[in-house]
Amino acid sequence: GQNIDQPTEMTATEGAIVQINCTYQTSGFNGLFWYQQHAGEAPTFLSYNVLDGLEEKGRFSSFLSRSKGYSYLLLKELQMKDSASYLCAVRVGGYQKVTFGTGTKLQVIP
Amino acid sequence: DTAVSQTPKYLVTQMGNDKSIKCEQNLGHDTMYWYKQDSKKFLKIMFSYNNKELIINETVPNRFSPKSPDKAHLNLHINSLELGDSAVYFCASSHQRGPQETQYFGPGTRLLVL
Repeated sequence: GQNIDQPTEMTATEGAIVQINCTYQTSGFNGLFWYQQHAGEAPTFLSYNVLDGLEEKGRFSSFLSRSKGYSYLLLKELQMKDSASYLCAVRVGGYQKVTFGTGTKLQVIP
Repeated sequence: DTAVSQTPKYLVTQMGNDKSIKCEQNLGHDTMYWYKQDSKKFLKIMFSYNNKELIINETVPNRFSPKSPDKAHLNLHINSLELGDSAVYFCASSHQRGPQETQYFGPGTRLLVL
């Protein structure tokens, strides 16, 4: 099976940078996703990594180290609207089976 | 313009009842999913269909039966509802053609079993 760990909650200040870590143990790794989920809403796609390294998309970046089973999501220039849960998800195998972590609830404070 | 839609958005029912949730996507995707998100916000896959064929069937009680009449629709029927079935059920869809195909989620159906 898959085991995905993320911190449960984090708090950061508006304008700052925050890093949300995700570690996973899985066989047949075939990509890692980050999703954002605002309270009461559906998850929305943020980023995808399958090779080691950093993927940058505007204020959001995601890093992957397959050998360490580790990823992080980096959010820069935090805004109040970034307060949400951030879900790390690992895909295994050739089909679209994606296993989600329990999510990290990020609170951005003024 | 809704990409993935679900009905109903809210569903309150009594234990023992049978209910259905419907999902439709207009993205032209060939794969659809049902997820359950519990009170602790843990999102867990239940089923997945590719071109109307069941490809993922996690350990879910057989009271839950998915049905895919065509590629754009995936419905979920639940028999003999139990208190523990209370959760948010999300439908999602994606292509299966490439490694970077992401899943698009519907707005969720909030099921409360009394």
